Amino acid sequence: GAVVSQHPSWVICKSGTSVKIECRSLDFQATTMFWYRQFPKQSLMLMATSNEGSKATYEQGVEKDKFLINHASLTLSTLTVTSAHPEDSSFYICSATGLPVYEQYFGPGTRLTVT
Amino acid sequence: EDQVTQSPEALRLQEGESSSLNCSYTVSGLRGLFWYRQDPGKGPEFLFTLYSAGEEKEKERLKATLTKKESFLHITAPKPEDSATYLCAVQEAGGSTLGRLYFGRGTQLTVWP
Repeated sequence: GAVVSQHPSWVICKSGTSVKIECRSLDFQATTMFWYRQFPKQSLMLMATSNEGSKATYEQGVEKDKFLINHASLTLSTLTVTSAHPEDSSFYICSATGLPVYEQYFGPGTRLTVT
Repeated sequence: EDQVTQSPEALRLQEGESSSLNCSYTVSGLRGLFWYRQDPGKGPEFLFTLYSAGEEKEKERLKATLTKKESFLHITAPKPEDSATYLCAVQEAGGSTLGRLYFGRGTQLTVWP
């Protein structure tokens, strides 16, 4: 199967600082990448969809200025959580689809803790 | 209203005790139905894609089937290493967001020796 990596796997930051999470497709071209958030014991909540070279499309209720998404190449998308607060603490997961894969393949996730 | 409903929420099986997980969906047109496995603290791992009613796919002890309104994930003679949360997701034909998946809440499977 296709491989998607995320970095870092976990991060702790202080309230008010910004954190960047990277998502990479290692063996295929990711024309579309998705960012999810997952709370304990709950399913995945889609935050935004990004196509390479285009602005991200955010789901209703997701703050665009707080969660900045960049998909500048066919193998890399980044999610920046700006001015993080404790309520932003969560498990963030990216997924990717593209050429030649059809299914969405997921990264291992990033655990963000804001103190 | 949830577009994807999974049942049961949790399932405990003894090793070797076969069972099935259910995923029902209400999208108007189905482009694809996907099964994933998720271990605690990890991202979902792709298992199967089903496209049309009557389709079946197998992988080791798992078999996925699809009808017009639901899918089943059959687990034959499960082992403790099959313990995980199994997620079902659907992709809607002609959806506004290309490739968007609608996930169910998952079934947490525990297999004890």
